[in-house]
Amino acid sequence: QKEVEQNSGPLSVPEGAIASLNCTYSDRGSQSFFWYRQYSGKSPELIMSIYSNGDKEDGRFTAQLNKASQYVSLLIRDSQPSDSATYLCAVHQADKLIFGTGTRLQVFP
Amino acid sequence: ETGVTQTPRHLVMGMTNKKSLKCEQHLGHNAMYWYKQSAKKPLELMFVYSLEERVENNSVPSRFSPECPNSSHLFLHLHTLQPEDSALYLCASSQEAGVWTTEAFFGQGTRLTVV
Repeated sequence: QKEVEQNSGPLSVPEGAIASLNCTYSDRGSQSFFWYRQYSGKSPELIMSIYSNGDKEDGRFTAQLNKASQYVSLLIRDSQPSDSATYLCAVHQADKLIFGTGTRLQVFP
Repeated sequence: ETGVTQTPRHLVMGMTNKKSLKCEQHLGHNAMYWYKQSAKKPLELMFVYSLEERVENNSVPSRFSPECPNSSHLFLHLHTLQPEDSALYLCASSQEAGVWTTEAFFGQGTRLTVV
């Protein structure tokens, strides 16, 4: 079983729609969770962190965490073509930051 | 100037060459990391340094040799690489290693091609 699992996509959504990105993790003891955005040919850029169950909102981005289900998601409201990128889920496990393979998001006009 | 700077941005090397990747962070962080990113694979943690001391070697082949002379600089020395080592090598830093709320900040990466 992969430690951090994401659907590789691509996830295609029209401009203005809500994009929903999902991630599951295997280590029940994980305490901190991060979403990174990576444009093609660029380095990952931190966009959200979440540490407790529930929702955390920052502008158009909402991170959701459910530790019982070992599930973390990222919602992007009013998606824009500039949001087109690969979104990496990262989980802090045993002093390491473990990444998923990423989900490629395509927002079309 | 960006928080984490890597040089060179691109590197092509033969299998018998020796080269080094450099990383410098200007964030005052105490932990630095090397990650490898290959196509279709998740980011793979290679090495972790905390206050210039190596705290993690994630089963990386000896043809990769890290060096951390101080908390702001990190090197990855390369020798006798294989074509499958071609990848994007990312340096990252965080406030502390092993602290569960820490966030990692990445450099722009070095795109390495081994021919």
